[in-house]
Amino acid sequence: DAKTTQPPSMDCAEGRAANLPCNHSTISGNEYVYWYRQIHSQGPQYIIHGLKNNETNEMASLIITEDRKSSTLILPHATLRDTAVYYCIPYQAGTALIFGKGTTLSVSS
Amino acid sequence: DSGVTQTPKHLITATGQRVTLRCSPRSGDLSVYWYQQSLDQGLQFLIQYYNGEERAKGNILERFSAQQFPDLHSELNLSSLELGDSALYFCASSVGLRGQETQYFGPGTRLLVL
Repeated sequence: DAKTTQPPSMDCAEGRAANLPCNHSTISGNEYVYWYRQIHSQGPQYIIHGLKNNETNEMASLIITEDRKSSTLILPHATLRDTAVYYCIPYQAGTALIFGKGTTLSVSS
Repeated sequence: DSGVTQTPKHLITATGQRVTLRCSPRSGDLSVYWYQQSLDQGLQFLIQYYNGEERAKGNILERFSAQQFPDLHSELNLSSLELGDSALYFCASSVGLRGQETQYFGPGTRLLVL
């Protein structure tokens, strides 16, 4: 079973920041927080991951709370192409990814 | 483009038949994972191979089997197909088993069993 809690859906206006929360209160010490997204029925796309420090790459920023029980994915300037299902997954290398239901983000103009 | 390729993109077949799905991992990746995505079950892990050896099994039916070849490509074999096997099948690859080993997904194979 998925070990995360995410809101089923969120809306965002194009050009605004999208902040997607995730609760992973049972994450273990050797698990990273990974974020993937799936646009329509395409293969899941890796976005970003982190252990305990905040991370930023060309796609997004990841904020992890100090107790590591929750995180927030930030898309700084959402576009229509960011409309997708976003998955937050605690993950240990070499194991399977356990996908929950994720958050459906709808970006509108 | 993740670098992971899957063939075929679409497959339509009849109940009782057998099909083979193929996955080529990213160059240098030793691990291959197979996932199934159906409408009612979401994305579920089926099986993992590492450098030719089976490493972990998930919710894979006995009618399904997989293997990873010396060139590291992998095949997922689905036999005695049922209507409920209609789904998207994804493979993912990663470098190995340690550290920050990100899995990268292929575009998937859409299987329709009629």
